[in-house]
This record gives sequence, structure tokens and C-alpha cells, in this order.
Amino acid sequence: DAGITQSPRHKVTETGTPVTLRCHQTENHRYMYWYRQDPGHGLRLIHYSYGVKDTDKGEVSDGYSVSRSKTEDFLLTLESATSSQTSVYFCAIAGGAGPLVTDTQYFGPGTRLTVL
Amino acid sequence: GESVGLHLPTLSVQEGDNSIINCAYSNSASDYFIWYKQESGKGPQFIIDIRSNMDKRQGQRVTVLLNKTVKHLSLQIAATQPGDSAVYFCAEKVEVLTGGGNKLTFGTGTQLKVEL
Repeated sequence: DAGITQSPRHKVTETGTPVTLRCHQTENHRYMYWYRQDPGHGLRLIHYSYGVKDTDKGEVSDGYSVSRSKTEDFLLTLESATSSQTSVYFCAIAGGAGPLVTDTQYFGPGTRLTVL
Repeated sequence: GESVGLHLPTLSVQEGDNSIINCAYSNSASDYFIWYKQESGKGPQFIIDIRSNMDKRQGQRVTVLLNKTVKHLSLQIAATQPGDSAVYFCAEKVEVLTGGGNKLTFGTGTQLKVEL
């Protein structure tokens, strides 16, 4: 998993509760991404980061926020979880040494989140 | 074969045979493509990539072919093994995001089943 860990790996929560997922990398990659994966859909981008404290929205960002206070950590927060946010969440990193490496995204093991 | 965004087809092959997995992409301006392998319960694993200035690229037991005329990508796996059983999906780089990261569009994938 290219030096990427995600925590927790599994979580069950109730509607309306806040949830924070963590992505940690040991590769010193510049770019970090949060995706969700749902049946019938390809991976969809939620938010991404292009540096410490530099983040932007992806295509399905409603209901999610992110923070990146250190190069190695990228947090995804569901402020008030809803059942539609039940999904598998993946973190990805990109941007190692050299310009051509920027394009390839490497994924973490995922977090399976269930919102009841 | 698959098209980015459609349902999940299945390809069954005998162990030792060659496998060909297809992907149709939509953006003629895309200049970078990636194939990923995803085993059940795991994160997507990078297999091989190709840039639009190439028609073919080979890795260990895998070959990616790019036909820009018909916007088609294929992954060939030689001498398919039981460990190759997984979902395979393609991704195309559709734009450069703020800060220089890449937005990828992912297909939903093809399930490869290797029969003994």
C-alpha cells in the first residue's frame, strides 16, 4: 500500500454523529486525495490536498470537510453523518520525487464506514 | 469490456490462458491512463500506466495497449494465475487540479475470475 495507512479500518456509527477518518503516509508525497467507492460507481473524488493547509473540493464534497496540518496526515470529517455516506473510503497519494511521478496515485487499504 | 462509469462485467479465464480486459474512455484530451487491480476488501493496487504518446507498454506479465483513434485501452495479462483474480479498472487523467494534482476518472471495473 505504498506506505499509506488508514484508520479506523471499519466503523459503524449513527446518523447525526461526527466521524473523522485518518490517512497517514510515510512517503512524503505532496498530493493526498480522499475518494469514496460505491457499487455501480467508479471511485469518486471527495476532497484533495496539494500541500499543508492547501485543500480543495472534489466532485462529491457536500457533507465532508478535510484538514491537513502535516505533510503525512490528511483527515476527512463527516460533520453529521447520514446514511448516504455509508461507503468505503480510500485515501490516495501522489507526487513523489521527479515530475513524472506526480500523475500516479497510490491507494491506502480503505475504511469501511456504515451509518445506521 | 467496460466503459468508464458503467456496470461491472465479468471475465472468466482458465489458469494459464491470457486475459484481455478492455476499457473505453471518453475524453480525447486525456494524456495519461492507469490500470489498477483491486482484490476483495483491499485498496486499488497500481499495475501499469501509459501516456498518450505511446501505443503500448509492457510490464511483468502485463501489457497495456492504447488506441487513441477509438479511445480504447486494454490490459493483457499473460499466463493468468489464480492470484490474478480481482477487479481491474482503468483510470484516465481528465484535468489538472488547483495546485497541480490530477483529477482521475475511474471505471467501475471488470471482475476477472481465474478457473483452475
